[in-house]
Amino acid sequence: AQSVTQLDSHVSVSEGTPVLLRCNYSSSYSPSLFWYVQHPNKGLQLLLKYTSAATLVKGINGFEAEFKKSETSFHLTKPSAHMSDAAEYFCVVSDRNSGGGADGLTFGKGTHLIIQP
Amino acid sequence: DTAVSQTPKYLVTQMGNDKSIKCEQNLGHDTMYWYKQDSKKFLKIMFSYNNKELIINETVPNRFSPKSPDKAHLNLHINSLELGDSAVYFCASSRAGTGGNYGYTFGSGTRLTVV
Repeated sequence: AQSVTQLDSHVSVSEGTPVLLRCNYSSSYSPSLFWYVQHPNKGLQLLLKYTSAATLVKGINGFEAEFKKSETSFHLTKPSAHMSDAAEYFCVVSDRNSGGGADGLTFGKGTHLIIQP
Repeated sequence: DTAVSQTPKYLVTQMGNDKSIKCEQNLGHDTMYWYKQDSKKFLKIMFSYNNKELIINETVPNRFSPKSPDKAHLNLHINSLELGDSAVYFCASSRAGTGGNYGYTFGSGTRLTVV
């Protein structure tokens, strides 16, 4: 079984300040972890993914996330927020060894990122 | 070129009607999915198909029936639409058995409103 908890439903930061979106997961197996972003009335775009290589993962648009097994966390960060970062962010987990075939992803409930001018 | 395309983008229909949402991917992926996003933005898998074979069928009412004529297409047919079916439906695809490793490519969604 797998689950993911996004600790904040809303995060508000000022433009130019750091962003931290928190995510904790639970997984019976070695997890793959993802962050997706959804801009208003748009589809989902993959920001970055962790699949057992380096624990610090760099994604698009200056975002990065660090996989910490001891803390079962995969927090998303960005050094300096931009107005265009305002969106919904989803932390996602998949059990890579839970069986082959068409595996489904488990989504967190999302964090709404607000950027103040 | 759009990698995963869904049609229509918006669908407004009355209760009791039957409607279909179409999805096509041109990525050569073997696996396709339907996800439902409710009004609180929560995303949950409904179905997945691997090379035209149904693999995942979550607890979805049997009014929802996926159809995969070939591995590039996965359509969703909904019978007897209800108010609670209003949501955004996302199609996605991945390489066979690797969605858990590499993630999905999502379509832009179909916003279904039942009135």
